[in-house]
Amino acid sequence: GAVVSQHPSWVICKSGTSVKIECRSLDFQATTMFWYRQFPKQSLMLMATSNEGSKATYEQGVEKDKFLINHASLTLSTLTVTSAHPEDSSFYICSARLQGLGLGEQYFGPGTRLTVT
Amino acid sequence: GDSVTQMEGPVTLSEEAFLTINCTYTATGYPSLFWYVQYPGEGLQLLLKATKADDKGSNKGFEATYRKETTSFHLEKGSVQVSDSAVYFCALVSGGSNYKLTFGKGTLLTVNP
Repeated sequence: GAVVSQHPSWVICKSGTSVKIECRSLDFQATTMFWYRQFPKQSLMLMATSNEGSKATYEQGVEKDKFLINHASLTLSTLTVTSAHPEDSSFYICSARLQGLGLGEQYFGPGTRLTVT
Repeated sequence: GDSVTQMEGPVTLSEEAFLTINCTYTATGYPSLFWYVQYPGEGLQLLLKATKADDKGSNKGFEATYRKETTSFHLEKGSVQVSDSAVYFCALVSGGSNYKLTFGKGTLLTVNP
């Protein structure tokens, strides 16, 4: 089956630094990738949608200058949390959509736990 | 806007017990409905789906029926196994959400031997 990986699986950084999270589709080309954020006991909240070679579309309330998304190839998308602060600590999940799948069908990565101290 | 409400967990069952996880939704138009499952240490996986009223999605012994009149999509399994221990997410996609997934908060299921 289609596999999506994320790296790193967890990261601790100091306040004010930047952190990059990678999302890769290992055995397929993803036309669209999505980034979600999940707080404890909360649902996944979509942050942005990215298509290869074009700018990401951010959801309302998500700061595009803080959460930089790059989708340079059909198998790789990156999320950079710039000037991280403790309130950015969260679980970040990416997913990928394969062309031809039904609406709502996505392949998810295992997530990245970010802790900002 | 669209929203999904699912029963709060955690749910703890003994092996071979009957499982129901309730899910209700609010959406514009006629959404497609999904159950995703997240096993420990893994990403969410699509478990089953239904795209129109009265459709029944099924997979791995799990079933859910799209009930338009009650705006519900409850997940059921007749006899759970230890390996079913996971977090279950109800979700929908609708034109009102611009075809983006809207998730419930997730329900943690633990099955004891």
